[in-house]
Amino acid sequence: DTAVSQTPKYLVTQMGNDKSIKCEQNLGHDTMYWYKQDSKKFLKIMFSYNNKELIINETVPNRFSPKSPDKAHLNLHINSLELGDSAVYFCASLLAGGGNEQFFGPGTRLTVL
Amino acid sequence: GNSVTQMEGPVTLSEEAFLTINCTYTATGYPSLFWYVQYPGEGLQLLLKATKADDKGSNKGFEATYRKETTSFHLEKGSVQVSDSAVYFCALVISGGYNKLIFGAGTRLAVHP
Repeated sequence: DTAVSQTPKYLVTQMGNDKSIKCEQNLGHDTMYWYKQDSKKFLKIMFSYNNKELIINETVPNRFSPKSPDKAHLNLHINSLELGDSAVYFCASLLAGGGNEQFFGPGTRLTVL
Repeated sequence: GNSVTQMEGPVTLSEEAFLTINCTYTATGYPSLFWYVQYPGEGLQLLLKATKADDKGSNKGFEATYRKETTSFHLEKGSVQVSDSAVYFCALVISGGYNKLIFGAGTRLAVHP
């Protein structure tokens, strides 16, 4: 069984469109994250939710909006997509008191044309 | 601020060669340190971790020792295999910082037969 899953795996879209990426974890973890990996492989945190509450909100354009309907899901909605949004987006989850290990999903490669 | 610096890649080695990937960090608190690995086309997997000074993390023949005096967490392996070809990320988490992972830039390793 997949621990942290993301859909879709690949997403190709036009500039100006609105798209969503979904993440689900079946590990019973309390905290979930979104990271962005750019074309040079550099990884940076974007958001984190703990039990549906936003706890980390890095300097990210407000076109990006995370939503957590329950603690097993963390979705990322992006409005008015730009070329610079092309990247791989990783979801991760963390068990509180679990030695700080985060479990990552397989990533969603977003390409904006 | 908190940051991680890794040696630039790519690192190219022959099979059975000795591997060292340097990692140093700057942290305002007491970090836990991690090495994550990303195989081609896949997400990140935790390779090893250390949570306090002088701890040694080890897994799959890889080792790294948490050196507070030199603020380093260098990754080593005595004999690399072709299957070790991947991108390796050093990262830290500060206690009480919502477990936000701060990554180094990643080091690509290519092992040739």
